Amino acid sequence: KAGVTQTPRYLIKTRGQQVTLSCSPISGHRSVSWYQQTPGQGLQFLFEYFSETQRNKGNFPGRFSGRQFSNSRSEMNVSTLELGDSALYLCASSLVGPATDTQYFGPGTRLTVL
Amino acid sequence: KNEVEQSPQNLTAQEGEFITINCSYSVGISALHWLQQHPGGGIVSLFMLSSGKKKHGRLIATINIQEKHSSLHITASHPRDSAVYICAAALGGAQKLVFGQGTRLTINP
Repeated sequence: KAGVTQTPRYLIKTRGQQVTLSCSPISGHRSVSWYQQTPGQGLQFLFEYFSETQRNKGNFPGRFSGRQFSNSRSEMNVSTLELGDSALYLCASSLVGPATDTQYFGPGTRLTVL
Repeated sequence: KNEVEQSPQNLTAQEGEFITINCSYSVGISALHWLQQHPGGGIVSLFMLSSGKKKHGRLIATINIQEKHSSLHITASHPRDSAVYICAAALGGAQKLVFGQGTRLTINP
């Protein structure tokens, strides 16, 4: 079974631009969660989707948004990029959700904002 | 105070030693995850616990719901165990994880 894939793996943007990251979950998994990892803040929850519905959102500004498609693939979008958005963005998938079953993580997208 | 606290933040040990990493949380949880992250960023799930104890090879994870505390143990540690270990809790049943700060483990040969 193929693992969780994320594209692109690396991205360089400048302040003010917007970016879209993609996550393809393991086949059959309906829950996709997004996380941001920085050296200063560690891992932080962004949002979680299940069957195209956002069930939970973390404490991030409205510039961070996401969606999930009917095939469970998910995208997250960051608009008006700031230097502090430079981070490793990880997605994880599971059958039902992180409160219920094992999370399978993708390799991450490393975003650098200049 | 963070909702999920891990200790120690850094741990260096010799090959063969018994390792313990601790995780405490402040409110009721529905699940506690232990994750491993190697240099380069990839994260692997080691355990998901809601009660009791789980064992996989040389790794053991325990959780005490009353004391709101979990431990990850590594027996007969090996240099390949060197990584960052992270606990994460699904607090109050919500479908989201709150993470500890991570423990950087270094095992010297």
